[in-house]
Parts: sequence; structure tokens; C-alpha cells
Amino acid sequence: ILNVEQSPQSLHVQEGDSTNFTCSFPSSNFYALHWYRWETAKSPEALFVMTLNGDEKKKGRISATLNTKEGYSYLYIKGSQPEDSATYLCASSGYSTLTFGKGTMLLVSP
Amino acid sequence: GAVVSQHPSWVICKSGTSVKIECRSLDFQATTMFWYRQFPKQSLMLMATSNEGSKATYEQGVEKDKFLINHASLTLSTLTVTSAHPEDSSFYICSARDIGQGEYGYTFGSGTRLTVV
Repeated sequence: ILNVEQSPQSLHVQEGDSTNFTCSFPSSNFYALHWYRWETAKSPEALFVMTLNGDEKKKGRISATLNTKEGYSYLYIKGSQPEDSATYLCASSGYSTLTFGKGTMLLVSP
Repeated sequence: GAVVSQHPSWVICKSGTSVKIECRSLDFQATTMFWYRQFPKQSLMLMATSNEGSKATYEQGVEKDKFLINHASLTLSTLTVTSAHPEDSSFYICSARDIGQGEYGYTFGSGTRLTVV
């Protein structure tokens, strides 16, 4: 059974601040690491899928890194905006199933 | 992009009744669909995996007779909570996988909030 941990549980920042979250996962039997952005009453939206150690992906102001040897991934948001407010989920996949962390709830105040 | 429609978004039912939740892939064929449950402040927990035309595979601790899953077509899977009890109150969400997209092929519905009174 995979155990995926995310920290912090919640975060409140001011508009313009940069922030980052952590996702840790078992490094054995690793296949892929997924990041999702989840707004209330909507479907989780896929942000990144990462598979290679040292991988770094970027989408606008959001980027993510992956360390498969030590079992962690960071998600960075540069210059946070109120519309970035959401819960950010990470999930580790083995074969076809995803194992999720509890998420980091981000609130960005204007 | 790929869209998964899940209905209803919320439902309140009386204890002892059954509730059906639908999950449809709108613009792709999903050979595999997943059903998750989330309790407050907890992570999404996989309940079962269903493959079109075959019986669902349930995770340990999930009662297959209570949570009936049907995946009769490549675009529709249903979860029926039978004889619901207040402890079944939770958030249920489905995910459909487009195998042709590899690891990018997981698309989620928007979830169903079930309250059993």
C-alpha cells in the first residue's frame, strides 16, 4: 500500500506571494506522480504528470519538480493570485491506480 | 479536453433506501473507471476499479454487495449505494481512464455529496 503525504495541510498567502507545497511518496515501485488542482464543486484538473527523476515541469506561474530517489515532489506557485485558491492534490500511480495525499488547501487573499 | 460528467452532484436520501450515482465519459471511451470516496479531512480513497463488461475489483474493506458497480458501456459506469445508512454519508467521485493517453488519461467527475438521514 502506497502512502502519500502532503504538507502543509493548508496555506493562506497574500496576492503576489510565491509559495510551495510538498508531496512525499514511497520511492519503491514508483511509476508516476500526478498533481491536480481542485476547486470546490468542480472536477480535479490535471496539472502535471511526472515520471523521471529530476524532472521539472512548468505551466504558466506553476511549476513542479520530482525526486524519485528520495520520494518527494515540490509544487511552486510564483506570484500567487486569488484565482489560484484551490486544493492541490498529488497522487502516486502504480500500474493503473492512483493513491492520493490529503491535499494542500491554498487561499490567496487580494 | 476530456470531460467526465457525474450526476447527481448532491443527494439526500433516507436510511434504508438505495442511491445511484452515474459517471459518463463524454468525449472518449473509458475502458476503466475508478470510484473513490472521501471523508472529511481525508484523502480520496479508492473503492473499486471497474472495467467495461467485467466485474468490478473492490479494494479491501469495501463491501461489494453494498456498493454495486456497473460498467456496461465504454462511456458509463454507475455506483449504487444499497440500503444506505448514515455512515455511508460521504463524498463520492469517479475517474475515467482513456488508456490511449497513458498516464495523462485520468479524468475526474465533479463528485457527489451523499447525505443519508
